[in-house]
Amino acid sequence: GNSVTQMEGPVTLSEEAFLTINCTYTATGYPSLFWYVQYPGEGLQLLLKATKADDKGSNKGFEATYRKETTSFHLEKGSVQVSDSAVYFCAPHRGKLQFGAGTQVVVTP
Amino acid sequence: DAMVIQNPRYQVTQFGKPVTLSCSQTLNHNVMYWYQQKSSQAPKLLFHYYDKDFNNEADTPDNFQSRRPNTSFCFLDIRSPGLGDAAMYLCATSRRDGGGTDTQYFGPGTRLTVL
Repeated sequence: GNSVTQMEGPVTLSEEAFLTINCTYTATGYPSLFWYVQYPGEGLQLLLKATKADDKGSNKGFEATYRKETTSFHLEKGSVQVSDSAVYFCAPHRGKLQFGAGTQVVVTP
Repeated sequence: DAMVIQNPRYQVTQFGKPVTLSCSQTLNHNVMYWYQQKSSQAPKLLFHYYDKDFNNEADTPDNFQSRRPNTSFCFLDIRSPGLGDAAMYLCATSRRDGGGTDTQYFGPGTRLTVL
């Protein structure tokens, strides 16, 4: 079956710091890969996606590259803002979304 | 703006009293999903409709039912809510056209409290 591992949170960092959230997955075949973000009390918002190996998804300063050789899809942002404080979910899709446990990110001024 | 709408945002019900949550969409997507998300956990898929075809997840309790009267609306019925059913319920939609992966778009969720 499929499974996905995200780094545990909370991740606490200062404004303008560099953010990385690791995500690795195990899967047969080549799933499409998604990152969703959930702000407090809200639903999930699609952040970015990649559908094949070496694709890079990007949005709002966030990036993630589909690495087939390492089965990873790490999320990065070069300079975070307080408004980036949220929970981030990595989710491979093969038939259905398989959500990771989520990583809470706290950005302090 | 095209979107996924969930009403109400907050719902309080009593133990054992049936409750219905609603979802509507203006995206004209052919697939609608219901997820349950408990505090500090990932969303868990309960079931989905692909057009009119209902697809239940194997571990979804019988207490949870769904209806999709038309393309735009989908309902989640909890027949006899227990304390353990208190959660955020998320609706999502996607367009599945038989090729590639369909991207899911989520509503804001309904937070259910069971007293």
